[in-house]
This record gives sequence, structure tokens and C-alpha cells, in this order.
Amino acid sequence: QTVVTQEPSLSVSPGGTVTLTCGLSSGSVSTAHYPSWYQQTPGQAPRTLIYTTNTRSSGVPNRFSGSILGNKAALTITGAQADDECDYYCVLYVGGGISVFGGGTKVTVL
Amino acid sequence: EVELLESGGGLVQPGGSQRLSCAASGFTFVNLAMSWVRQAPGKGLEWVSVVNPEGGTYYADSVKGRFTISRDNSKNTLYLQMNILRVEDTAVYYCTRNSRGVAAPDYWGLGTLVTVSS
Repeated sequence: QTVVTQEPSLSVSPGGTVTLTCGLSSGSVSTAHYPSWYQQTPGQAPRTLIYTTNTRSSGVPNRFSGSILGNKAALTITGAQADDECDYYCVLYVGGGISVFGGGTKVTVL
Repeated sequence: EVELLESGGGLVQPGGSQRLSCAASGFTFVNLAMSWVRQAPGKGLEWVSVVNPEGGTYYADSVKGRFTISRDNSKNTLYLQMNILRVEDTAVYYCTRNSRGVAAPDYWGLGTLVTVSS
């Protein structure tokens, strides 16, 4: 069974930079997994930030960027703001029509 | 503007059935795969199922054999028929549009809550 891993929590200072990662329990993440990233505040539907590795969704500020770093997918937030404090999820396509979400990362801005 | 509007949620008893619908607009529905993703109270997102434009379907192990995804391209509508419901199926169910084949959801609906309880 494929497990997608994310840091449970990360913190960043206002104006700082933080990188969230999305890995696989076995193997490396590549563009063929079409990694995508979502932001969710409590009680709201997820909002797409990045899809297919590094394509920014419409209306998403360019301080959010996606990439492959080493053997993981990564979401980097530069110039963190107070309203970036929420949950972030990644999803990977693992083949055979199946996708798997990571457990999510709670980002704190302090 | 892309819009996805789910409906059909509600309270259902364990072992019961429920059918969710998702009305899509603002894009060429027939050309794209569509998915269902759910989120149990206080938990993370869980991928449930996807249907490609040709009607091919795929399911998470947790729902395989109990849930059926389908689409009506003439009505621009996605469905999820849920049978033999369990307490652990309680969740908000989101309809999503896929950006690359059956992968990479890029648009989400607001969700519909399904509560399985006696």
C-alpha cells in the first residue's frame, strides 16, 4: 500500500520562507506522479495552489511555487503572511488510475 | 468560470445507500476526468474515485465494491452511488475536475456532507 508522506507541522516567521515536502513510502517522486498542492482553512473546501508539479492555479500569488527537490515534491512559500497559516495537502498519482493524498502539513506563521 | 456543485448528502443509516451528484459548468465536461475526494470530520483528504472521459473507473480500496462512480455527459453531471454505507464513510464529499488525465485535481466543489449513523 502506497503511503504519501508530509511533515505534520512546520512553522515560519512572517516574511520568511518555508518548504513543505511530499514523498513516497517507497521510491522517489517525479513529474510522472503529477504532484499537486492544496491549501485548506477550517470549514472551507480545499483551494488548489499548484498542479502537475509547478503549474500555479489561477489567482494564486507567485510566492507559492512547486518543484521536485531531490526525491520529493516540494511546495515553497516565500514571504509568508499571516493568512498562510492553515493546512496544506499534496496528492500524487501512483498509477493504475489511483491517486493518494498525503496526511497534510499544518503551517504556523509566528 | 468553472463551477462544481455537489448535492445529495444527508443522514443515512449504516448499511444504507446514498447517491451524490455534481453539476459541472464553465468547461467542456465531456473532455475531462472527474473525481470524488472525501474528508472525514477532523481528518485529512482521502481520494475516493475517478472516471475518465471514456467512462473508465478507478476506486480506492476502502470503497471498492461498494461505491460506483459514473457520469452523464449529456447533463454535465458526475455521480457517486454509495451502497453498504459504514459509519467510517461519514465525511464531506468533494467533486473535483482533473487537469491531467485521471490525475491532479485542479477545481473543487464546496462539498456535501454524508453522515452515516443509526
